Amino acid sequence: DTGVSQDPRHKITKRGQNVTFRCDPISEHNRLYWYRQTLGQGPEFLTYFQNEAQLEKSRLLSDRFSAERPKGSFSTLEIQRTEQGDSAMYLCASSPKRGNGNEQFFGPGTRLTVL
Amino acid sequence: QKEVEQNSGPLSVPEGAIASLNCTYSDRGSQSFFWYRQYSGKSPELIMSIYSNGDKEDGRFTAQLNKASQYVSLLIRDSQPSDSATYLCAVIGPMDSSYKLIFGSGTRLLVRP
Repeated sequence: DTGVSQDPRHKITKRGQNVTFRCDPISEHNRLYWYRQTLGQGPEFLTYFQNEAQLEKSRLLSDRFSAERPKGSFSTLEIQRTEQGDSAMYLCASSPKRGNGNEQFFGPGTRLTVL
Repeated sequence: QKEVEQNSGPLSVPEGAIASLNCTYSDRGSQSFFWYRQYSGKSPELIMSIYSNGDKEDGRFTAQLNKASQYVSLLIRDSQPSDSATYLCAVIGPMDSSYKLIFGSGTRLLVRP
């Protein structure tokens, strides 16, 4: 399977703990996005990488959130000192630079539950 | 006003009918438009993209874009129970160099056997 992969698929944690999610984009896709989706809403943009550079962050991304994409391949999203309001589906998407460069393909998501 | 608006539904249609899903957007200069299908508990799946005014057909799906009226629609012909899902409209805003997607809240479609 050459699609976007995410790990873990589910994470249950206690309030105050740190969590880290991983995303592996489609190979040769240089753009990578993180979104967050809560029940009944569409996904909301969190942050964007082109290769290894983080070029845009949403104001939804508080200081407790950090994302990296070392070497322009996989990406990690870390949430420190989790809060119950962080419970959501965290989605990663990738898109190619050329061709249909605006089309984004989503991974299966990581569902986070903060108790 | 939300940037991308969709009727939440549910839109209920009988099997074999045409389902019509609509979406309006607020930024006149928006550049790219997408429809995603999302089954309950799953991630969004891209089903159509459209960039210029008019119709674009792919199998049973037709996307329609009218930039002057700022709306985009999705028609699903010969609807099947397996089409029952939430359909998300997404837009890339004007002059957005990150090409991030702005989503509506989705329309739930129910296809009755």
